[in-house]
Amino acid sequence: EADIYQTPRYLVIGTGKKITLECSQTMGHDKMYWYQQDPGMELHLIHYSYGVNSTEKGDLSSESTVSRIRTEHFPLTLESARPSHTSQYLCASSEYKSAGAGAEAFFGQGTRLTVV
Amino acid sequence: AQTVTQSQPEMSVQEAETVTLSCTYDTSESDYYLFWYKQPPSRQMILVIRQEAYKQQNATENRFSVNFQKAAKSFSLKISDSQLGDAAMYFCAFYNTNAGKSTFGDGTTLTVKP
Repeated sequence: EADIYQTPRYLVIGTGKKITLECSQTMGHDKMYWYQQDPGMELHLIHYSYGVNSTEKGDLSSESTVSRIRTEHFPLTLESARPSHTSQYLCASSEYKSAGAGAEAFFGQGTRLTVV
Repeated sequence: AQTVTQSQPEMSVQEAETVTLSCTYDTSESDYYLFWYKQPPSRQMILVIRQEAYKQQNATENRFSVNFQKAAKSFSLKISDSQLGDAAMYFCAFYNTNAGKSTFGDGTTLTVKP
């Protein structure tokens, strides 16, 4: 099983609240990613990071923000949650370069967020 | 920009039979990797198989194999001797080495019938 962890697994929260979704990996991977996925649907990349102090916006516009102060930690924050943010959020990591590994991504179990 | 297309939203297969999931992609890149990931219901997404674009030989992992046609930009997944545990959503993914990120297809939900 991959050493990448997301907390909480499930979160129901009221509109307007600030939330932070946690993601940690113990594999020493440089690259980390956040994807948004509605149930049974495709993954949309919303943020990624090449390493400490590096953050980039993904292909899908998102009102969330991320930070990368430590290699192992890549939290995602929503300053003011709205019902439209209801979705599943998947965190992933990969090595920057690894001979023979081909940059495969290791995924966390996801956080299912419901904003009421 | 890359696009990844999985033309089969849903597939079903009888236990012990063989099924093939389709994936096509579009890119102008020459250095890339292709992956198939499996996402069981309410469980972690895991890697099924990977293919380096520079390798002509098709990758295989036990009952899983791919048919990689680089010129046609096609990357299908064949599951042999299907098992109940193979039931999941399968995603085809293209990894752009230069950009350092992946593009995923829309996914194919595979049902395995006993």
